[in-house]
Amino acid sequence: AQSVTQPDIHITVSEGASLELRCNYSYGATPYLFWYVQSPGQGLQLLLKYFSGDTLVQGIKGFEAEFKRSQSSFNLRKPSVHWSDAAEYFCAVGPMEYGNKLVFGAGTILRVKS
Amino acid sequence: DAGVIQSPRHEVTEMGQEVTLRCKPISGHNSLFWYRQTMMRGLELLIYFNNNVPIDDSGMPEDRFSAKMPNASFSTLKIQPSEPRDSAVYFCASSGTVAFFGQGTRLTVV
Repeated sequence: AQSVTQPDIHITVSEGASLELRCNYSYGATPYLFWYVQSPGQGLQLLLKYFSGDTLVQGIKGFEAEFKRSQSSFNLRKPSVHWSDAAEYFCAVGPMEYGNKLVFGAGTILRVKS
Repeated sequence: DAGVIQSPRHEVTEMGQEVTLRCKPISGHNSLFWYRQTMMRGLELLIYFNNNVPIDDSGMPEDRFSAKMPNASFSTLKIQPSEPRDSAVYFCASSGTVAFFGQGTRLTVV
């Protein structure tokens, strides 16, 4: 069965520092991969997605993620974190049919210290 | 497009009462999903529809939960009777190739 692991429940970084959030997935075929962000009291907003092609994908708000098939990973990165990036981040995996029935990781809460 | 619209945003109800959550998906999306989010269990997929037809309801926790999608622009999730352990944030999402989420309904059952 497919699953997504986000090994870090909480991460704290200083404003201006770089960020990497880890995501590993288990899936029987090549999946669609996503990162979503959730601010308190809000719904989930799509940051970026990988379907195929270039394994380094760019998203909104300066985020990027790299798909590494050999490691079954899809880590999210940002070179310089802003205080407004504090939120919870979810990695998700879905099949290439039925409009993506997504399986989500447990989420990583990002705290940004000034 | 206004995005996925859920109503109400907040619902407080007494145990045993019926609760109905509503969702209007993004026009043109052919898949609709209901998720539940709690601190303990994270995001759980309850049910999803494709072209208004329920495809997988294996995540629906009990017979007290039911969902319908009478047409392409409307879906409901009903809990009857409600229990305190149903307290959670319920999200609706719609998808073409990418899922977009509504703002959620925060349900509190007292």
